[in-house]
Amino acid sequence: KAGVTQTPRYLIKTRGQQVTLSCSPISGHRSVSWYQQTPGQGLQFLFEYFSETQRNKGNFPGRFSGRQFSNSRSEMNVSTLELGDSALYLCASSFRDRNTEAFFGQGTRLTVV
Amino acid sequence: GQSLEQPSEVTAVEGAIVQINCTYQTSGFYGLSWYQQHDGGAPTFLSYNALDGLEETGRFSSFLSRSDSYGYLLLQELQMKDSASYFCAVRDNNFNKFYFGSGTKLNVKP
Repeated sequence: KAGVTQTPRYLIKTRGQQVTLSCSPISGHRSVSWYQQTPGQGLQFLFEYFSETQRNKGNFPGRFSGRQFSNSRSEMNVSTLELGDSALYLCASSFRDRNTEAFFGQGTRLTVV
Repeated sequence: GQSLEQPSEVTAVEGAIVQINCTYQTSGFYGLSWYQQHDGGAPTFLSYNALDGLEETGRFSSFLSRSDSYGYLLLQELQMKDSASYFCAVRDNNFNKFYFGSGTKLNVKP
């Protein structure tokens, strides 16, 4: 079966702009989590959605938001981009919201200039 | 919150055995997971320990001791393709959030 698909793979934006990233989970998976990965901070949890509801949120400012659609596809949005938002954004899906095994997409590499 | 500590880098030779440790400070969690990530790739799930003890999956084994707040990933018969970063992770049972360690970069040399 197809894996987790994230689009776009690469993105360059300027400070102050906003960006929307997309994640299509594995078919049948209802839980989608988002992570920010940077060399200095490692993998940081952003938020998790299950059946269109946000279940958890990490310690990120309100500029970071997300949503999940009825087909389990998820989007995350970052508004008023800052240079420090440059990172690899990873999406992971799992069957249940308390599953410990998560399947990651290839990520979206966001560069803010 | 949770805090997971791992060594930043480990080097070993092909065919050897290497152990990557993960020590944590947590108020409660469901279990300890391990993920592998090659440069430019996505993290992939390796193993999960819900209970104390050793879990074996082929050349990889993972161990958990909740009383010692400690776990490790053991890689045997190292191959060049094992060169990657390895992350330990927990899902806490208070807020149901995922926390990852800072990752250990494993360099396998011929």
